[in-house]
Amino acid sequence: GAGVSQTPSNKVTEKGKYVELRCDPISGHTALYWYRQSLGQGPEFLIYFQGTGAADDSGLPNDRFFAVRPEGSVSTLKIQRTERGDSAVYLCASSLLRVRNTGELFFGEGSRLTVL
Amino acid sequence: GQQVMQIPQYQHVQEGEDFTTYCNSSTTLSNIQWYKQRPGGHPVFLIQLVKSGEVKKQKRLTFQFGEAKKNSSLHITATQTTDVGTYFCAGPTDTGNQFYFGTGTSLTVIP
Repeated sequence: GAGVSQTPSNKVTEKGKYVELRCDPISGHTALYWYRQSLGQGPEFLIYFQGTGAADDSGLPNDRFFAVRPEGSVSTLKIQRTERGDSAVYLCASSLLRVRNTGELFFGEGSRLTVL
Repeated sequence: GQQVMQIPQYQHVQEGEDFTTYCNSSTTLSNIQWYKQRPGGHPVFLIQLVKSGEVKKQKRLTFQFGEAKKNSSLHITATQTTDVGTYFCAGPTDTGNQFYFGTGTSLTVIP
């Protein structure tokens, strides 16, 4: 597609449930990022993929959060045993291969997660 | 750890007035990017600054990167209602694997 696609756009779930959020990056973009944004805050880094591997997962808040990118394109963010504090907009961004830390990030519209 | 702070957090201006947001990092940055997020939207890339003391202009927007590469500013001349949104600066970590986003400045333009 022309841009970064994220599904679902909205997800309402109950505390303790498992959720998956999907990101389809721009074709050819090898770098993929997941961020979390709470109301009135800046995007908070979660994880960065370069190709199929997680180059940096230091932003994942705890072991309930996990992300995969098995074929180096689509990525799935998985949250187990959801808690109310997980409620936020989850943003995915992709970028061309980053050289010396440069290159703009292209963001998707985000997946709004609400945990009741 | 690395922190990127922005001031002010909120700014209300009359249409036609100027606006400036400041970004300060606790560590030296190899480069800095600016993004704009409209209400209900996602961040959209505006510009990247790489060199110490660099100044770039985009129409009414002027971006500066500090000499010490620890701070940056975005200045908008003669604001318009289309400028409404939250402006974020973002800088890479030493490893370059992640970009830390600043706390953002929310701009409201009163017509």
